[in-house]
Amino acid sequence: AQSVAQPEDQVNVAEGNPLTVKCTYSVSGNPYLFWYVQYPNRGLQFLLKYITGDNLVKGSYGFEAEFNKSQTSFHLKKPSALVSDSALYFCAVRDGPHAAGNKLTFGGGTRVLVKP
Amino acid sequence: DAGVIQSPRHEVTEMGQEVTLRCKPISGHNSLFWYRQTMMRGLELLIYFNNNVPIDDSGMPEDRFSAKMPNASFSTLKIQPSEPRDSAVYFCASSLRLRTGINGYTFGSGTRLTVV
Repeated sequence: AQSVAQPEDQVNVAEGNPLTVKCTYSVSGNPYLFWYVQYPNRGLQFLLKYITGDNLVKGSYGFEAEFNKSQTSFHLKKPSALVSDSALYFCAVRDGPHAAGNKLTFGGGTRVLVKP
Repeated sequence: DAGVIQSPRHEVTEMGQEVTLRCKPISGHNSLFWYRQTMMRGLELLIYFNNNVPIDDSGMPEDRFSAKMPNASFSTLKIQPSEPRDSAVYFCASSLRLRTGINGYTFGSGTRLTVV
């Protein structure tokens, strides 16, 4: 079974400071990993994904994430946070190319609050 | 591309009434997912379809919930009879499932359901 954990319900950061949102996962094979962002009263929007290759993945809005196989982590990062980055962030995992279906498992979400 | 289209955006209904939520996936996508989002439970997968066929409905909470996908461009989620605890935001998402590779999901804007 695949699972994903986001240990922090909320992250507070001052504008201009680095932002990190943590995610750890569990799969039986090689993981496919995703980050999504949800702004108020909106659906989830795709930020970035890791399938294979370079462990550092760059995505939308200046975000990046680092895949760490030994720590089974896929933390989301942004070097300099903006107030407009305040939103709900979801990490998701799928258990490799041989998993049945196309099912992603989502974490519980982390609310990010960037203060001016 | 208009994205994933859900209707209605908001629905307020009385307990015991039938509620039907609608979703039009992105043209060409062959996987469709229904999620429910609440403060208490976060994002829950209710059911998903591949090529219009239900693959996993283990997340459907009760027999009061049913979902159909009569063709590749339309799906419904029905609750009959509705109860106050069904109040949530319901999201539809679609994806292109390939034999190799992986694509993330595209989410609709959601239907906010309030059962009074």
